[in-house]
Amino acid sequence: ETGVTQTPRHLVMGMTNKKSLKCEQHLGHNAMYWYKQSAKKPLELMFVYNFKEQTENNSVPSRFSPECPNSSHLFLHLHTLQPEDSALYLCASSHGGDNEQETQYFGPGTRLLVL
Amino acid sequence: GQNIDQPTEMTATEGAIVQINCTYQTSGFNGLFWYQQHAGEAPTFLSYNVLDGLEEKGRFSSFLSRSKGYSYLLLKELQMKDSASYLCAVSATDSNYQLIWGAGTKLIIKP
Repeated sequence: ETGVTQTPRHLVMGMTNKKSLKCEQHLGHNAMYWYKQSAKKPLELMFVYNFKEQTENNSVPSRFSPECPNSSHLFLHLHTLQPEDSALYLCASSHGGDNEQETQYFGPGTRLLVL
Repeated sequence: GQNIDQPTEMTATEGAIVQINCTYQTSGFNGLFWYQQHAGEAPTFLSYNVLDGLEEKGRFSSFLSRSKGYSYLLLKELQMKDSASYLCAVSATDSNYQLIWGAGTKLIIKP
């Protein structure tokens, strides 16, 4: 099983739609991350969960709502998005806990287009 | 503030050597990562430096100078499959140990 998987890989949605992105990691990690990647821009950290608790919310608009039911699964619920939210959304995981320096392992991303 | 700079794009020839530079400005430096990202794929971990000096891993090496806020990724014996974006990321206490990312360097390999 691939380390970090994401579904769907591609998503087109209207501004009034509600959709969810799913991430699953099979690495036994305890920390999970959502990033936004726009063309020619640095990765933007959105949310961090450590042992299912949200530890970072990087001033993300409320139209993005994360959910972490357990250490292996992470969701990003989307509603009333704007065209500028079109981007690649990457999920990552790392060992978690008190280890302050950890390698993050990424999923392939969901390419989102908001019309 | 925190800032990561790397060139937007570089071109190199198959079989040659290329050096991708990364400069950073952070408070409380706690390590620097290099990732490779092929178009449409996940970023994959290449290297991690926290102490000054050169870390070698096969054809890839990464160098760090903390006093200069500088790192480079050295790719030897370039292959066509090395065409990708290379992302520099820094961890710092000021960012609560979360990674601050550069915009990436797109490397184009020509035959």
